[in-house]
Amino acid sequence: DTAVSQTPKYLVTQMGNDKSIKCEQNLGHDTMYWYKQDSKKFLKIMFSYNNKELIINETVPNRFSPKSPDKAHLNLHINSLELGDSAVYFCASRDRGNTEAFFGQGTRLTVV
Amino acid sequence: DQQVKQNSPSLSVQEGRISILNCDYTNSMFDYFLWYKKYPAEGPTFLISISSIKDKNEDGRFTVFLNKSAKHLSLHIVPSQPGDSAVYFCAATDSSYKLIFGSGTRLLVRP
Repeated sequence: DTAVSQTPKYLVTQMGNDKSIKCEQNLGHDTMYWYKQDSKKFLKIMFSYNNKELIINETVPNRFSPKSPDKAHLNLHINSLELGDSAVYFCASRDRGNTEAFFGQGTRLTVV
Repeated sequence: DQQVKQNSPSLSVQEGRISILNCDYTNSMFDYFLWYKKYPAEGPTFLISISSIKDKNEDGRFTVFLNKSAKHLSLHIVPSQPGDSAVYFCAATDSSYKLIFGSGTRLLVRP
């Protein structure tokens, strides 16, 4: 009965590869997010989708492409992975009218 | 340019005492503030929040205070318990609902 679930939890891949991280929420929320926690531990927003529509895009390289097939899913596809993409990526969701977001357990991406 | 700052990277307190975690912000458009708790290898968990129209919000052992003139908020945990040991993130948002996080404070509650 996990509220926000991400797969995989760990991902190790070589530079130049393309990879995807999947996120699903069963809370019935209509807004979903991707956040990145870098090596300095800052949590920074990358994207936000509301009912499958992109509403926030925080100057993220276009190698990162979010895709929302429906309002319960927000996947993150990354092309041509670079060493600097190594981080923990968190998916989150929020209910309309509420401010607090609920986070998944994170995906630790390591690019070697 | 950090809009939300947590200047203490770590804090250690004795079990049963009060823990006070601080947070400062620079953007006067922020109108809602949240605290999240994070254990290793888990996602942040929402703890408590406060609207800018209030100066205090209490939930059990957790109280958040907001001083708008100083652009400062604090989280008080009393009494502190070993299970409270975690990283605490302060976050702020405006009408965009985009959460801006601080860098976190690692709290250690010693038995």
